[in-house]
Amino acid sequence: GAGVSQSPSNKVTEKGKDVELRCDPISGHTALYWYRQSLGQGLEFLIYFQGNSAPDKSGLPSDRFSAERTGGSVSTLTIQRTQQEDSAVYLCASSPLPSTDTQYFGPGTRLTVL
Amino acid sequence: QQQVKQSPQSLIVQKGGISIINCAYENTAFDYFPWYQQFPGKGPALLIAIRPDVSEKKEGRFTISFNKSAKQFSLHIMDSQPGDSATYFCAASKSGGYNKLIFGAGTRLAVHP
Repeated sequence: GAGVSQSPSNKVTEKGKDVELRCDPISGHTALYWYRQSLGQGLEFLIYFQGNSAPDKSGLPSDRFSAERTGGSVSTLTIQRTQQEDSAVYLCASSPLPSTDTQYFGPGTRLTVL
Repeated sequence: QQQVKQSPQSLIVQKGGISIINCAYENTAFDYFPWYQQFPGKGPALLIAIRPDVSEKKEGRFTISFNKSAKQFSLHIMDSQPGDSATYFCAASKSGGYNKLIFGAGTRLAVHP
C-alpha cells in the first residue's frame, strides 16, 4: 500500500516568508509525528498528533512554528517568518496507534531559507 | 537526561567486514531502543529494535547488543555489503502513551567493495 507522502519534496524560500509543509500519513494511522533533521544532526522531535489533537508540542522551537491535522489524516506544518536556521529536512512519520513501536517515515521536505 | 549519543560519526568498512555503531543514553526510563536506516533522499526506516529485557537481538546480519548497566547499546552489521551503505540512527523512547523517539546524531556508513 501507499506509504507516508510529503509535499513539496523541496522548498526554497526567502527569509521572512511563510511556508507550509504537508504530510499525508498512511491511511488509518492515528498517530502522526513531525521531526526536523538538520545537516549532520539526528532527527529532532517537533510535535505529536493523536487524531486531530496535539498533546505534545514540546519540540516546536518557537512560536513561529505551528501545525494542525484535519480529519485525522493530513497534517500541515507552518513556519512563519522563516529564518535561515529553519533550513533543514522536515520529516513526518505515522503509526497505527500511539503505542505502536514502529514509525513509518515519509521522504521529507527539504527546506532552504535564503 | 534526554540525550542519545552516537558514535562514530562516519565509518568505512570493507565488504565482508563487521560494522559496529555505538550509542549511549542517560535517561533510565527509556525502554525501547530502535535502529533506523536511511538512504539518501529517503526517510528513515526501522531496521531492528530491542527492549531491555534481553541483552541481544539478531535479525539476519544485523544484531543489537544491549548493556543496561552501562546504558549503552550497539548495532553490529556482519558481512557488510555495499548495499548497506547508508546513514544509521539509534534512538530511544519510553513506554506510556505514545512513542516519542529521541535520536542520536547518526552514523554515515560506507562499505567499499
